[in-house]
Amino acid sequence: SQQGEEDPQALSIQEGENATMNCSYKTSINNLQWYRQNSGRGLVHLILIRSNEREKHSGRLRVTLDTSKKSSSLLITASRAADTASYFCATDAHNTDKLIFGTGTRLQVFP
Amino acid sequence: ETGVTQTPRHLVMGMTNKKSLKCEQHLGHNAMYWYKQSAKKPLELMFVYSLEERVENNSVPSRFSPECPNSSHLFLHLHTLQPEDSALYLCASSQDRIGTGRGYTFGSGTRLTVV
Repeated sequence: SQQGEEDPQALSIQEGENATMNCSYKTSINNLQWYRQNSGRGLVHLILIRSNEREKHSGRLRVTLDTSKKSSSLLITASRAADTASYFCATDAHNTDKLIFGTGTRLQVFP
Repeated sequence: ETGVTQTPRHLVMGMTNKKSLKCEQHLGHNAMYWYKQSAKKPLELMFVYSLEERVENNSVPSRFSPECPNSSHLFLHLHTLQPEDSALYLCASSQDRIGTGRGYTFGSGTRLTVV
């Protein structure tokens, strides 16, 4: 069974609005990562948050992690049309030494 | 460019053909991966190589055969594929197997169509 599941599956917003995507996972983890994928391209690593961290920022990105709820959120503030992409969370389950990706959230930002 | 280069970008092959996908990284990473991405499905981890040794094979059919001749190169040899094998094949590399630090670095992928 997959480790990470993103919610919502698709999100459409206007430029300037904030976009929030959520990720839930099943087993304990060492870290959780968020990636972005433009259509038909490879994934690009955005940010990594460790299991002992609760919040992390990178530019317009804010990631939170709640290990008690086994969930994470990715917030993109002041979105731009160029943020249009699919966003994936990825988790490593303890003792597996591999990264498992979810199905992703497709974000569309309209100018 | 991400530092992970995949060729070709697009490939159309018949079910009886033999072809190979190539991946190259010069990031000094120790681990390399093949993933399959099909529409509306999670990325499927196919193979993991760590220090040129295959450490994982996720029940992938034998018509897919990986090869890692050195730490910078990874191949996926394809033979007698089925139409359902059509997908985007992504190569990735990382410093360690769970991507601590800077995560995984992906190539742009090979869009494979089996006819």
